[in-house]
Amino acid sequence: DAGITQSPRHKVTETGTPVTLRCHQTENHRYMYWYRQDPGHGLRLIHYSYGVKDTDKGEVSDGYSVSRSKTEDFLLTLESATSSQTSVYFCATRPGQGERETQYFGPGTRLLVL
Amino acid sequence: TQLLEQSPQFLSIQEGENLTVYCNSSSVFSSLQWYRQEPGEGPVLLVTVVTGGEVKKLKRLTFQFGDARKDSSLHITAAQPGDTGLYLCAGALKAGNNRKLIWGLGTSLAVNP
Repeated sequence: DAGITQSPRHKVTETGTPVTLRCHQTENHRYMYWYRQDPGHGLRLIHYSYGVKDTDKGEVSDGYSVSRSKTEDFLLTLESATSSQTSVYFCATRPGQGERETQYFGPGTRLLVL
Repeated sequence: TQLLEQSPQFLSIQEGENLTVYCNSSSVFSSLQWYRQEPGEGPVLLVTVVTGGEVKKLKRLTFQFGDARKDSSLHITAAQPGDTGLYLCAGALKAGNNRKLIWGLGTSLAVNP
């Protein structure tokens, strides 16, 4: 358990509204990730961060933006939510890039876009 | 497209049976990880294998990395209801200074008492 919390845990929103999901970690891990998990697609990387204010796109970044102003917080924003963004969102952290280093996942946020 | 195929997709067995889950790719990975995910929770890392041919044991679970580092297997001996969950494999690809994880779709295991 790497002390990862996600908020909110559940959210229902309407198409076209902006949504921000928060990931908070207490372990001072350098790397943080946002994934979405969908049936038939598995886990897909949205964005990741390799340090404060250092972020990069993953494989499904369209319609999403991120910010990391502090080591412990990584925010994911859906600029204008669409029904295709209904999913379960997971935050993950990792201390470094060593092959045997553990990647820890948060409990997830279930988002429903109506 | 880099794919990591897991099989079987679903498995329902009785307590006490043995099972093997497979993870296959045409890509060579620098390492491969196995996770277990329970409903409503995030995945939890079980093991990381790095060396071709590496075998790791975690109680009744045995993990093997293929010699060519393209495939892996997870064998569970005498399965118990507590083993129920979604088992995910993820292979790591290095691209310069970056490390990219390729995820399988998972094997959903149900162990019935």
